[in-house]
Amino acid sequence: GAGVSQSPSNKVTEKGKDVELRCDPISGHTALYWYRQSLGQGLEFLIYFQGNSAPDKSGLPSDRFSAERTGGSVSTLTIQRTQQEDSAVYLCASSLGVEKLFFGSGTQLSVL
Amino acid sequence: GIQVEQSPPDLILQEGANSTLRCNFSDSVNNLQWFHQNPWGQLINLFYIPSGTKQNGRLSATTVATERYSLLYISSSQTTDSGVYFCAVDTGRRALTFGSGTRLQVQP
Repeated sequence: GAGVSQSPSNKVTEKGKDVELRCDPISGHTALYWYRQSLGQGLEFLIYFQGNSAPDKSGLPSDRFSAERTGGSVSTLTIQRTQQEDSAVYLCASSLGVEKLFFGSGTQLSVL
Repeated sequence: GIQVEQSPPDLILQEGANSTLRCNFSDSVNNLQWFHQNPWGQLINLFYIPSGTKQNGRLSATTVATERYSLLYISSSQTTDSGVYFCAVDTGRRALTFGSGTRLQVQP
C-alpha cells in the first residue's frame, strides 16, 4: 500500500483479556518495527524484524508481549492478559534497509 | 544503552520566527533521523541524516557525528509546524532510540 496501515485504530479491552494489533508495512520494505508511546511521552522500542533474520525482541517489557511477521510482510503484536499499564499508543513503522522509517497512525489501546 | 537528549524541552514561537532544536547523543551512531509528530499524533519523517547537512524547504538539519550532536533548523515558522520534534539514533542494533522530544508551539 501507499503507507503503513495499522488496525484497529482504537481498542478498548478489559484487564486480563488478550489483544491483537495488526500492521501492514509499506510494500517492499524489509524492516518492520513496533514502538509504544504513553501519553505525553517519547517512543519506547518493542521489537524489530529485518528480512528473514531472527527478530530483535530486546524491547518487549514482559513475556505477555509477543509479535510475529508472516511472509515478511504483515505483523501482529499480541498482548496477553492485558494490564492497565499496557494502555498506550502502539506504533508500527517500516523501512527499506537502514533508511527512513515511516510510521503508521497507531493503535490507541485502553485497558479498563 | 545510548542516551539521547533533546533541547529545549518546550518552545513557544511567534509565527515567522526562526528556531534551532538540538539533539545530543552519548555514543557513535550510524543512523540519525528527525521526526515531527503533529497534534493528531502522526509521526512524519523529516530527515535521515547520519552526517552532514540537508535542507527541505524551510527546514534544514546538520549532524556533526564526531561531536555527537545534531541540529534541526526551522525558519519562518508557521502554525502548522506545531507539535513535537523527535531525534532518533541507531548505534548498530538497527532499532532507533528516540529522545524525549521538543514540544513546539507556534502562535499566530
